[in-house]
Amino acid sequence: EAQVTQNPRYLITVTGKKLTVTCSQNMNHEYMSWYRQDPGLGLRQIYYSMNVEVTDKGDVPEGYKVSRKEKRNFPLILESPSPNQTSLYFCASSPTYNEQFFGPGTRLTVL
Amino acid sequence: ELKVEQNPLFLSMQEGKNYTIYCNYSTTSDRLYWYRQDPGKSLESLFVLLSNGAVKQEGRLMASLDTKARLSTLHITAAVHDLSATYFCAVDWDNYGQNFVFGPGTRLSVLP
Repeated sequence: EAQVTQNPRYLITVTGKKLTVTCSQNMNHEYMSWYRQDPGLGLRQIYYSMNVEVTDKGDVPEGYKVSRKEKRNFPLILESPSPNQTSLYFCASSPTYNEQFFGPGTRLTVL
Repeated sequence: ELKVEQNPLFLSMQEGKNYTIYCNYSTTSDRLYWYRQDPGKSLESLFVLLSNGAVKQEGRLMASLDTKARLSTLHITAAVHDLSATYFCAVDWDNYGQNFVFGPGTRLSVLP
């Protein structure tokens, strides 16, 4: 089944404790992206990647890191999480210039 | 900075009625996407509009794109309860990459 998977789906952590949210797609898509969704703000793009080893900042990259060492994986790293990073996170993938396929979401709470 | 606006933000309508959701954006682009999100769920692609004048239809939903006016519409015909969801438009404005900006979403409730 073609899909985008994210892990974990739910995470509660404390300020400053490094964490990684994994994202994997099995559709051989070139493009992958991370978003955060907050009430009243819609989805905001954090980082995106056009292909392996090619990443770029979206609208809200501060406090986040990404890497794209393999085509199928695009992990999101929070090196020192803060409470303002409490949010619902979505990973997405797509062929270039086409609709995005979204993962199920990761709900992160930073205490 | 690209801004994407949607109107209305909240829409409550009766079954059987027609209505239109508007998506305005502030910079040149000919790539616009519509997504649906059910409560507590992820986003699902509805339409991909890649040129001026593009029109796509699926069931009771029809989307169009006017790049000169920087406007896309999502028209709902004879609404049914199953269409209740939040609808997002997203604009891809970067010619060298895929840099998406989403609108704030329109929460639609279709009442029996």
